[in-house]
Amino acid sequence: EFRLVQSGGGLVQPGGSLTLSCAASGFTVSANYMTWVRQAPGKGLEWVAVIYSGGATYYADSVKGRLTISRHNSKNTLYLQLSNVTPEDTAMFFCARTWYYGDNADGSDVWGQGTMVTVSS
Amino acid sequence: SYELTQDPAVSVALGQTVRITCQGDSLRRYYASWYQQRPGQAPVFVTYGKNKRPSGIPDRFSGSSSGDTASLTITGAQADDEAVYYCNSRDTSGNRWTFGGGTKVTVL
Repeated sequence: EFRLVQSGGGLVQPGGSLTLSCAASGFTVSANYMTWVRQAPGKGLEWVAVIYSGGATYYADSVKGRLTISRHNSKNTLYLQLSNVTPEDTAMFFCARTWYYGDNADGSDVWGQGTMVTVSS
Repeated sequence: SYELTQDPAVSVALGQTVRITCQGDSLRRYYASWYQQRPGQAPVFVTYGKNKRPSGIPDRFSGSSSGDTASLTITGAQADDEAVYYCNSRDTSGNRWTFGGGTKVTVL
């Protein structure tokens, strides 16, 4: 069974930083595209970052320069680091495995349970 | 930034058929994937590519694409299908993805 278990999050002060973890089981993080998605309260899903199996990373414009996606291969874990947070970063964050099926088709087939980040003083 | 456009809400009578659409330029090149999200839950992967479904997704869910528009059709909607549905696709750079704004499906 493929599984992603998230940890981290909680209350963060404006201007502070946070790190979220996403531990995988049943598959290898470094062999897959891994994605972070966030959802502000009452809002829709927002794609924020991807790390390819080759290590290349890409970010949404809304977080570029403040967010770092990374992985620890021996721990089989994905990470998200977000710096200089503002109340607008308050959201549920989800990690996901994105599988490329070929022919310009892909999809996120395994999702973490989500972890809430609240930015407030 | 790149956008995918979805209607905010749609309703369907129990057992009837509903189609949800998603419009964006990159859909001419990349297929959309679709996700179902119930309140308080993580998204569930529903369809991808040219009408493909992940294992475990009922065959009443089907996907299609034409030009710059992708569609998710629920044939014979069930009460359990009441949820928000999101499309997702790469943008024209091919290295970033975008979600549509979501369509809330109400089963009457």
